[in-house]
Amino acid sequence: QKEVEQDPGPLSVPEGAIVSLNCTYSNSAFQYFMWYRQYSRKGPELLMYTYSSGNKEDGRFTAQVDKSSKYISLFIRDSQPSDSATYLCAMSYSGGSNYKLTFGKGTLLTVNP
Amino acid sequence: DGGITQSPKYLFRKEGQNVTLSCEQNLNHDAMYWYRQDPGQGLRLIYYSQIVNDFQKGDIAEGYSVSREKKESFPLTVTSAQKNPTAFYLCASSIGGNSVYTFGSGTRLTVV
Repeated sequence: QKEVEQDPGPLSVPEGAIVSLNCTYSNSAFQYFMWYRQYSRKGPELLMYTYSSGNKEDGRFTAQVDKSSKYISLFIRDSQPSDSATYLCAMSYSGGSNYKLTFGKGTLLTVNP
Repeated sequence: DGGITQSPKYLFRKEGQNVTLSCEQNLNHDAMYWYRQDPGQGLRLIYYSQIVNDFQKGDIAEGYSVSREKKESFPLTVTSAQKNPTAFYLCASSIGGNSVYTFGSGTRLTVV
């Protein structure tokens, strides 16, 4: 079983739709959870950062972490064509010098005007 | 503006040649990383460095080498021993003890 599983899609939605992106993980030691957005031929950029379980909202984006189910989600409300990108989930352990990120493979999202 | 600069953006290499990818950051970050990205395979860690003059192998280090002589710089050499080097290479950095990465814009290497 891979440490982080993410459905690669592709996912295609109409403009204005609510988008749900998800990752599952197997290692209960993960405590820091991130979502990165990567436009084609560009480097990933940090979108959301959460610690432990709970929700975090930033504009149209909401990140959810359910540590009991080992499941994280990113919701995009009122999706826009500019949201078309690959979304990568990432997570890491806490403590010590081990702050390497483990990434999902990414979900390719297309928002159609 | 602070950030990470990768150069060149596109690189072509003949089989059997070594090639070096540049990564420079002015964020004063302690840790730096090199990833390889292939379609359908996500990001795979090649090498990482937590401090100057020290670095560790990642998951796919064979055929690659790095150096960390300065805090700001972490060049990656793709050697002729790397059997399938055509890929998109990403450099990242983070503050020591913090998992939030800042990525460069990537170098696309093609073997011709």
